[in-house]
Amino acid sequence: EADIYQTPRYLVIGTGKKITLECSQTMGHDKMYWYQQDPGMELHLIHYSYGVNSTEKGDLSSESTVSRIRTEHFPLTLESARPSHTSQYLCASSILYEQYFGPGTRLTVT
Amino acid sequence: QKEVEQNSGPLSVPEGAIASLNCTYSDRGSQSFFWYRQYSGKSPELIMSIYSNGDKEDGRFTAQLNKASQYVSLLIRDSQPSDSATYLCAVNDPPGGYQKVTFGTGTKLQVIP
Repeated sequence: EADIYQTPRYLVIGTGKKITLECSQTMGHDKMYWYQQDPGMELHLIHYSYGVNSTEKGDLSSESTVSRIRTEHFPLTLESARPSHTSQYLCASSILYEQYFGPGTRLTVT
Repeated sequence: QKEVEQNSGPLSVPEGAIASLNCTYSDRGSQSFFWYRQYSGKSPELIMSIYSNGDKEDGRFTAQLNKASQYVSLLIRDSQPSDSATYLCAVNDPPGGYQKVTFGTGTKLQVIP
C-alpha cells in the first residue's frame, strides 16, 4: 500500500488568506504531482516535479505555486485564496508511470 | 480531440454481470496503460497496469490492450455493488517528454443489486 499523506484533509478559509497544502510520501519516489478535481469532474494536473529542485506547471493554469526541497515533501501554496480555488486537491507520487494518490485535501474558500 | 477518451456513462449493470469499460487513446507512442478506481469523494486507486498487447487478469478484473486499434478496456466479472465507482483510464505521455500520464474523464459504473 502506498504511503502518501496530505494535510489538512479539510480546510475552510476566508478570501485573501495564504494557505499551504502539505504532501509527503515515504516511498522515495522521485516524481510527485498535484491535481485539482471538482466533484464528479475530471482530474486536472496543476503541478509536477521530477526530483528535488525540479518543478513544472501542469495542463491547468493555476495561481498556486509548489516547491520541492526534499524528495519526500511537495507542498502547494496559494498566496491569496479566492472562492474560485474551492476544490479537491490531490497529491500523487510515482517512480515510473504508476501513480499513487494521497487522500486529498478538500478546500473551501468563503 | 482529447488524448484519452472514455464514455462518461453511467454504465449500469446488474449484480453478477460482466461490466465492460472502454478507453481509446490518440498517441501511438504510448506504452503504458492504467486503470484507476475512484469512489465518490475519495482519491483514485490504481487497480490494473498493462504494457503488452493482449489480456492481463487479476482476480475479477481483466485489462485488455490493442495497440493497433489504440484501445484499452477493463472487464469486471461477477460485478458487485461495491464495484460501483468511477473508473479512470490513464495513458503515459509519449517518450521524449516528461514522464507523465494523461487521465481520461472516467466512466461511472453502477452495479444494480
